[in-house]
Amino acid sequence: EVQLVESGGGLVQPGGSLRLSCAASGFAFTAYWMNWVRQAPGKGLEWVAKIKADGSEKYHVDSVKGRFTISRDNAKNSLYLQMNSLRAEDSAVYYCARGQYGFGYWGLGTLVTVSS
Amino acid sequence: QSALTQPPSASGSPGQSVTISCTGTNSDVGGYNFVSWYQQYPGKAPKLMIYEVTKRPSGVPDRFSGSKSGNTASLTVSGLQAEDEADYYCSSCAGSNNLVFGGGTKLTVL
Repeated sequence: EVQLVESGGGLVQPGGSLRLSCAASGFAFTAYWMNWVRQAPGKGLEWVAKIKADGSEKYHVDSVKGRFTISRDNAKNSLYLQMNSLRAEDSAVYYCARGQYGFGYWGLGTLVTVSS
Repeated sequence: QSALTQPPSASGSPGQSVTISCTGTNSDVGGYNFVSWYQQYPGKAPKLMIYEVTKRPSGVPDRFSGSKSGNTASLTVSGLQAEDEADYYCSSCAGSNNLVFGGGTKLTVL
């Protein structure tokens, strides 16, 4: 059974940092593009970043470029999102999702709240 | 990277058909056959319902179908059931480096 389990969310002050993790199991992690998608409270979905199966290509949405970095450790079947210089507008549930364009599997999400 | 345009709401009675539109540009919806549709219940993770414009993942009822014409993609739900009441989001490849979602449509089964 495919499982994606996010962790690392929490309350952080503006300007602070967090590192999100996504533990993958039940499939060949090294064969898939992986993504982070976020959803602010009561709002729609926003794609944040994606990384190629071997980690050789990484892309981020313009609003997080220079602040967030996606990475992966294929030996640990894990996906990460390093978030720096956090802003109030980054507050959201962050999901990891498998796939390049269609995301067939999603985790349950981890909540990030940026507030003083 | 502007969001794709979806109607905020749609509705239909049980047994009827409803179509939700998703309008973009020739840089996203119109330029690629990588449109997906997701169903999301409150407090839950999204679920993939349609990918590559028309394809259904295993387990998704054939009441759900997708199509595209020009810069507009559509999701049609036939034979509406109470359990179809949810939020629906479209997404599209927007160049090799980007992906964009629609703003979401709340589907109400009357």
